[in-house]
Amino acid sequence: SQQGEEDPQALSIQEGENATMNCSYKTSINNLQWYRQNSGRGLVHLILIRSNEREKHSGRLRVTLDTSKKSSSLLITASRAADTASYFCATDKYSGAGSYQLTFGKGTKLSVIP
Amino acid sequence: EAQVTQNPRYLITVTGKKLTVTCSQNMNHEYMSWYRQDPGLGLRQIYYSMNVEVTDKGDVPEGYKVSRKEKRNFPLILESPSPNQTSLYFCASCQLGYSNQPQHFGDGTRLSIL
Repeated sequence: SQQGEEDPQALSIQEGENATMNCSYKTSINNLQWYRQNSGRGLVHLILIRSNEREKHSGRLRVTLDTSKKSSSLLITASRAADTASYFCATDKYSGAGSYQLTFGKGTKLSVIP
Repeated sequence: EAQVTQNPRYLITVTGKKLTVTCSQNMNHEYMSWYRQDPGLGLRQIYYSMNVEVTDKGDVPEGYKVSRKEKRNFPLILESPSPNQTSLYFCASCQLGYSNQPQHFGDGTRLSIL
């Protein structure tokens, strides 16, 4: 079942502006991860935030996590045309009998206009 | 170079003709997984493997088989492919543990079943 749901589905901004994408999920998690996918290519990991963390930074990326609201946001500051891609959140969880699953949302398609 | 390698990258075939998509990783990862990506549906997990000889169903396992005889390989088998299995397929791997590492993705296999 789909765990993460990104919002908006598509976002178009000018180069230099900030881009914010949101992710909501339904059940408790261990970690939440954000991935990026250039058109038709494999996903590339951006950042992982643990359930006991509230905010994390990596370069121009800032991720927040609110477990009480079951939501996360990804902020890309000072966007560049090269940031044009689809962005996915993914929640991971160990569940019974030692199983582990990573569940992805449907993604936000970001277009950065030069 | 650390990588996940999928073959073939593209395949057009006909209904009912058995096919295998290979996946190999060189990072000694315990966990491997297969996903399919369809427009508007995001990534959905087909099967995953926690270790050698340990496999489990994901969210959409019908029509697929997998095996994990060696740690590095995790082939996806379509015994009798049907047109609804036309999709973009990704293999991924990661290390498990408290500090779960991000998943590394292959470049994808685009399957067209006629």
